[in-house]
Amino acid sequence: AQRVTQPEKLLSVFKGAPVELKCNYSYSGSPELFWYVQYSRQRLQLLLRHISRESIKGFTADLNKGETSFHLKKPFAQEEDSAMYYCALTGLEGKVIFGPGTSLSVIP
Amino acid sequence: DVKVTQSSRYLVKRTGEKVFLECVQDMDHENMFWYRQDPGLGLRLIYFSYDVKMKEKGDIPEGYSVSREKKERFSLILESASTNQTSMYLCASSYPGTGGAGKNIQYFGAGTRLSVL
Repeated sequence: AQRVTQPEKLLSVFKGAPVELKCNYSYSGSPELFWYVQYSRQRLQLLLRHISRESIKGFTADLNKGETSFHLKKPFAQEEDSAMYYCALTGLEGKVIFGPGTSLSVIP
Repeated sequence: DVKVTQSSRYLVKRTGEKVFLECVQDMDHENMFWYRQDPGLGLRLIYFSYDVKMKEKGDIPEGYSVSREKKERFSLILESASTNQTSMYLCASSYPGTGGAGKNIQYFGAGTRLSVL
């Protein structure tokens, strides 16, 4: 079955602590992986994508094809990182599958 | 700057009503999508369209239909609204393809919160 899983519904970390949001996927083929973020009262927006291999707002994510994972990491969490994070994949046929989301809360 | 506009932020409808949710994008994107967003379930794809008059079912198409008569506009129709269709509905658009800058990135509207009573 094609799906994206995010095992943590809620994740709380202290400001300055490292944060890792987990994402695993199941897909036959080579999908494109994304992280989207939704801050309070804002629309859902792209955070980063695996093909870009860049760091956005201090976040990075490495695609591990062997483990079919695309975990999102940041070495030092900030209060403004508190948001809902969604992992997603796009297949060759254009269909998009989102995970259930992880709500990150950064405690001051 | 890409703009995806959903016609209503909030809608309240009665069971059995026919409901139209409208979405317009201004970036000449080929792909358009309708999702519903529910707590704990994330975003679930209802329908998507990769061209005018073309549509594909997503994961939860039952009870919904779509229309795409013009490239910039993608409408979601609830033929006979039911209480279990109370949800946040998100529209998105993207430029198709892989590997290139800007391709496959989804741009979202602000959402329509629909309540069916």
